[in-house]
Amino acid sequence: EAGVAQSPRYKIIEKRQSVAFWCNPISGHATLYWYQQILGQGPKLLIQFQNNGVVDDSQLPKDRFSAERLKGVDSTLKIQPAKLEDSAVYLCASSLVATARTDTQYFGPGTRLTVL
Amino acid sequence: AQSVTQLGSHVSVSEGALVLLRCNYSSSVPPYLFWYVQYPNQGLQLLLKYTSAATLVKGINGFEAEFKKSETSFHLTKPSAHMSDAAEYFCAVSGLGSSNTGKLIFGQGTTLQVKP
Repeated sequence: EAGVAQSPRYKIIEKRQSVAFWCNPISGHATLYWYQQILGQGPKLLIQFQNNGVVDDSQLPKDRFSAERLKGVDSTLKIQPAKLEDSAVYLCASSLVATARTDTQYFGPGTRLTVL
Repeated sequence: AQSVTQLGSHVSVSEGALVLLRCNYSSSVPPYLFWYVQYPNQGLQLLLKYTSAATLVKGINGFEAEFKKSETSFHLTKPSAHMSDAAEYFCAVSGLGSSNTGKLIFGQGTTLQVKP
């Protein structure tokens, strides 16, 4: 079974530029998550999709971050404009069941963003 | 609200020694708890999870964890460390998102170093 795919793996941009990350979840998984992992910290949830609808974006900085999940499969996370504090690893995860708190989340390898 | 505290950001053991990584949680709902491992430049991989069945949970790679409600703890152990266990370990509690769906709240992580 193929895992969660993410691209690019690494990205370096200057502040105030824009950047986009792509995620392809495990086939058949209804729920997709984007996390931000700052160096030395645990991952923090940015946004959660159930199929192609948003179920939780309470911690997404909506003035600069946006995300979409077209057709309930792939997802794109965008930052515009980027700030220095956005330097982090952006992890995508997916899970089979939309609402179960016991469901396992499967993580992709992440995209490491450096903002100069 | 839910939160996780991992005691010790860095743990060092000798190969063959006992591994003990500490995790304490706070949860306003019945807790479901997870341990994930992250190897360098990789995503997170599930080691084990507690979903209110047996309090002693066995996971992959010889790891196990015991849920102790009275101590609000979910410590991770392995009887004999191997060099390949060197990685970062995250404890997480499944909380409730803004739509009452599952969301993981992670601790800050513990880096395990294994000395030959």
